[in-house]
Amino acid sequence: SQTIHQWPATLVQPVGSPLSLECTVEGTSNPNLYWYRQAAGRGLQLLFYSVGIGQISSEVPQNLSASRPQDRQFILSSKKLLLSDSGFYLCAWLPRRGLNTGELFFGEGSRLTVL
Amino acid sequence: QKEVEQDPGPLSVPEGAIVSLNCTYSNSAFQYFMWYRQYSRKGPELLMYTYSSGNKEDGRFTAQVDKSSKYISLFIRDSQPSDSATYLCAMIRSYNTDKLIFGTGTRLQVFP
Repeated sequence: SQTIHQWPATLVQPVGSPLSLECTVEGTSNPNLYWYRQAAGRGLQLLFYSVGIGQISSEVPQNLSASRPQDRQFILSSKKLLLSDSGFYLCAWLPRRGLNTGELFFGEGSRLTVL
Repeated sequence: QKEVEQDPGPLSVPEGAIVSLNCTYSNSAFQYFMWYRQYSRKGPELLMYTYSSGNKEDGRFTAQVDKSSKYISLFIRDSQPSDSATYLCAMIRSYNTDKLIFGTGTRLQVFP
């Protein structure tokens, strides 16, 4: 069966510090991978998506970046966090059947608080 | 105007009530419609999926799509306290090259 792992679950970081959130998917190959951010009252905002190793598309210009060093690994990073980066970050993947439907499956999320 | 509008709630109902959750959208090109359920501090999980207009039923849940009105609904029959969660609607225009657009979510509380 396919599963998605995301860590860390909770993170408290000072302004200006770096960030690294990691996501891995098991039980599938060459999935589409996504990073979303969920802020209170604002719904899910797509940040990055990737259709393959080294292929990253950015949806929102900001101080975050994403990388996909391996087929089933997706990393969200920042060199210097801002207060506005606080939120709930969700990794998601799209199964093959989802290419026809858009059904995304989400990880458990990483709650980031920037102080 | 947002592409997808959803009342954030909270919606508070007694156990056993019928719940109606709704979203409106502006882009008539949306074809695939989904409802996700998200428990507190968890990632969303896919609850229902429908294509184009019509109804789809799965146990106590019914999803309706009215493309002519650009309106989708999720009905929950015999609501349970375990249904307390945030419900997000989502939709996509075309597969493979498009992205899923989410509503902001409606928080539902079912009290015993």
